[in-house]
Amino acid sequence: AQKVTQAQTEISVVEKEDVTLDCVYETRDTTYYLFWYKQPPSGELVFLIRRNSFDEQNEISGRYSWNFQKSTSSFNFTITASQVVDSAVYFCALSERKGGGNKLTFGTGTQLKVEL
Amino acid sequence: SQTIHQWPATLVQPVGSPLSLECTVEGTSNPNLYWYRQAAGRGLQLLFYSVGIGQISSEVPQNLSASRPQDRQFILSSKKLLLSDSGFYLCAWSKTASYEQYFGPGTRLTVT
Repeated sequence: AQKVTQAQTEISVVEKEDVTLDCVYETRDTTYYLFWYKQPPSGELVFLIRRNSFDEQNEISGRYSWNFQKSTSSFNFTITASQVVDSAVYFCALSERKGGGNKLTFGTGTQLKVEL
Repeated sequence: SQTIHQWPATLVQPVGSPLSLECTVEGTSNPNLYWYRQAAGRGLQLLFYSVGIGQISSEVPQNLSASRPQDRQFILSSKKLLLSDSGFYLCAWSKTASYEQYFGPGTRLTVT
């Protein structure tokens, strides 16, 4: 069965610090996709990134970067120079093709608090 | 561009009452549609998904049901609510051949 583990329940940092959110996954599929979503206090999940299992290149988007390592089944997310607006719950997710649609298996989320 | 709507935004219902939550998507056709529930512990649980009108797949047997009467409309229902049905309900859509799911603003349901 698919599984996504986000061992960090809550992280608190001071603004401008760098912070890494960990994500470890389990799957038997050879082709799969990994995602990160952000859930601010308003509740709506915001899509941040998708990474497919064939592409292990790290990706950077502004202050965000993602490190995908297939050998360790990890897909970690780093925020550089964190800001108060980064405070949110962050979810890692794993995709599974199912019945023509796709299913996302979510981790339990990491609550990030960025303080002044 | 595509937009997903959910209503109501919040709902307080007594135990035993019926439920109807609605989700609609604009700006796309034949989307895959999903219902998730997020309980107090933050985890997201997939409840139902649909790949077309009238086609519903249930992930977890429970007190809820889903229907898709129109291409871009997805409804979550219950005949009799339980206390355990309280939570944050999120609707999502994806393109047929795509993996990214895009979420609506959610409905916060409290069963009293």
